[in-house]
Order: sequence, then C-alpha cells, then structure tokens
Amino acid sequence: QVQLVESGGGVVQSGRSLRLSCAASGFTFSNYGMQWVRQAPGKGLEWVGIISYDGSNQYYGDSVKGRFTISRDNSNNTLSLQMNSLRFEDTAVYFCAKGTSYATDWGQGTLVAVSS
Amino acid sequence: DIQMTQSPSSLSASVGDRVTITCRASQSITSYLGWYQVKPGKAPMLLIYAASTLQGGVPSRFSGSGSGTDFTLTISSLQPEDFATYYCQQSFSSPFTFGGGTKVQIK
Repeated sequence: QVQLVESGGGVVQSGRSLRLSCAASGFTFSNYGMQWVRQAPGKGLEWVGIISYDGSNQYYGDSVKGRFTISRDNSNNTLSLQMNSLRFEDTAVYFCAKGTSYATDWGQGTLVAVSS
Repeated sequence: DIQMTQSPSSLSASVGDRVTITCRASQSITSYLGWYQVKPGKAPMLLIYAASTLQGGVPSRFSGSGSGTDFTLTISSLQPEDFATYYCQQSFSSPFTFGGGTKVQIK
C-alpha cells in the first residue's frame, strides 16, 4: 500500500530556512508527479507546488514562489521541500501527496511553526 | 490565477440528508476538478476526480457533476463519518488552487 511519511518539521525563526522530506513507499515513485500542500491553523488547504515524475519541471503557488524549492531523489524514493526566508504566515501542517492532476494519496503531515 | 469559490462555507445537516456543495471557477477548467474530504488530524482524502469520477474505495453516496466553471459535490444520504470539511481543487492550470472549503456539521 502507498505510504508517504513527512519529516523535518519544527519551530524555526522568521527569515531562516527549513527542509522537509517525504519518504515514499508502496509504489513506483519515479513514475509519479508529487505535490506539497499545506494547511495553516484554522485555515483551508493551500497548494504549495508540484514536481514532475522525473524532476524536470516544478511549479509553485504564488505565496511561496522564489522562496521554496521542490526536489526529488528517485533513487531513494524521497521528495523534498526546501523552504527559505520563512515567514510567520508559512506556519502550517505540510502534506506531501502522490499524483499530478489529482492527489490520490497523502501523508499525515508535518508541522512547521515560524516564530518571530 | 484561477479562483475557486465554494458555497456554502458551512452547513448543518442530519444523518440521512442529501447534501449539495457547489464550486465555481473564475474561468473554464473543463473537467479538471477534484473534491477532497478533510477531517481534523487526518490526511486529506480524494473523493472525486475529473469532476465526476469516483475515486476507488469511496462510497457511492458521493457523486460529482459539472464542467466548465460550475461543479457540484453531492452526498446522497449523509452518514456520521461524513461530517468533515470538503474542498474542491482545479488542476487545469498552475497554480492548482483550492476552494475555501465547506464544513459539514451535525444539525
């Protein structure tokens, strides 16, 4: 069965960087696009970005463009999210999800809290 | 960017009720529309993709319809486990925007 396990969340000061990881198993990781989605406390879902199956293309939401970078390591079945210049409003649970047009499987999420 | 507008933002219903949630896109997204269910502390779950196709394992009381700019999620007979927040999302063009969500509460 598909398993996606996020890690790397925590408390970080505003302006600093953090890197999240997502370990994938139960499917052929290199065949699928992967996404990051976040949910701030008490708020709705917000799309962060997507990476193609081979890592050649990435697209981002407006609020993170230029600050966040999605990458993948198909040899180790790992998805990453490098978050730079973090802001208070980046505080959220970050989910990784499998799929390009539709997120068919999701991890449980990892909490990122940005403090001032 | 394509804006997705959901209505209502919340509703109260009883077990057994028929529930309808609507989602409107700011421009045509053909059928690139998914519906997700989110419960507190749990991973979101895909219910419907391509506007009207039921994701595997999802109960048949869930259905989706629409194309272009107007879409609907219907729960034919609300069950206790369906009390959750529902989101639509377009995947026609990046950024893949979500609607604001509809919280379905117990009446």
